Amino acid sequence: GIQVEQSPPDLILQEGANSTLRCNFSDSVNNLQWFHQNPWGQLINLFYIPSGTKQNGRLSATTVATERYSLLYISSSQTTDSGVYFCAVNSGGSNYKLTFGKGTLLTVNP
Amino acid sequence: EADIYQTPRYLVIGTGKKITLECSQTMGHDKMYWYQQDPGMELHLIHYSYGVNSTEKGDLSSESTVSRIRTEHFPLTLESARPSHTSQYLCASSESAGRPSGANVLTFGAGSRLTVL
Repeated sequence: GIQVEQSPPDLILQEGANSTLRCNFSDSVNNLQWFHQNPWGQLINLFYIPSGTKQNGRLSATTVATERYSLLYISSSQTTDSGVYFCAVNSGGSNYKLTFGKGTLLTVNP
Repeated sequence: EADIYQTPRYLVIGTGKKITLECSQTMGHDKMYWYQQDPGMELHLIHYSYGVNSTEKGDLSSESTVSRIRTEHFPLTLESARPSHTSQYLCASSESAGRPSGANVLTFGAGSRLTVL
């Protein structure tokens, strides 16, 4: 099946800093999503981005499908950004069976 | 505000008990999923459904079973719980109608944390 690798596994920032999270995948995809899991366990969809660039406030994402990677940018980080960020891609021929990476644990300190 | 609801949020039970984790969504989504999340954070798909009366096993083998009798309801059942079933179970739904091909954007419930003693 498709492999999804996220880096770094852990990241600690001071409030106000910027960061870049990376997601590499081993095969072509037509569905790529970024999620944030807050400290209470709730997963929130941040972006649906199989290709191109999107921005939502302080967050933006870019996927270069031909090179099989996606980047999530967080600018001016806040303590509420803490949590785990997951990248998920489709596997095989099904566009709705998503395979998740292991996530990046982000801690933003005040 | 979440439109997908999971109950119970927390459950502690003894070995051998039968349990059902409930998942309901009010969005009319055709596809629903169960993911299991281990302590190392990784999510694994254990069941999915692409419509009423259709269920499939996911990538991670699970002793649980699911049913999809109504569009909005996708319960997960363990006939005889064991300590190895201790985990967080996350339900999700998605819909592709009206979207570009492949755009199944997942909405997750808050999760059910199961502890089997």
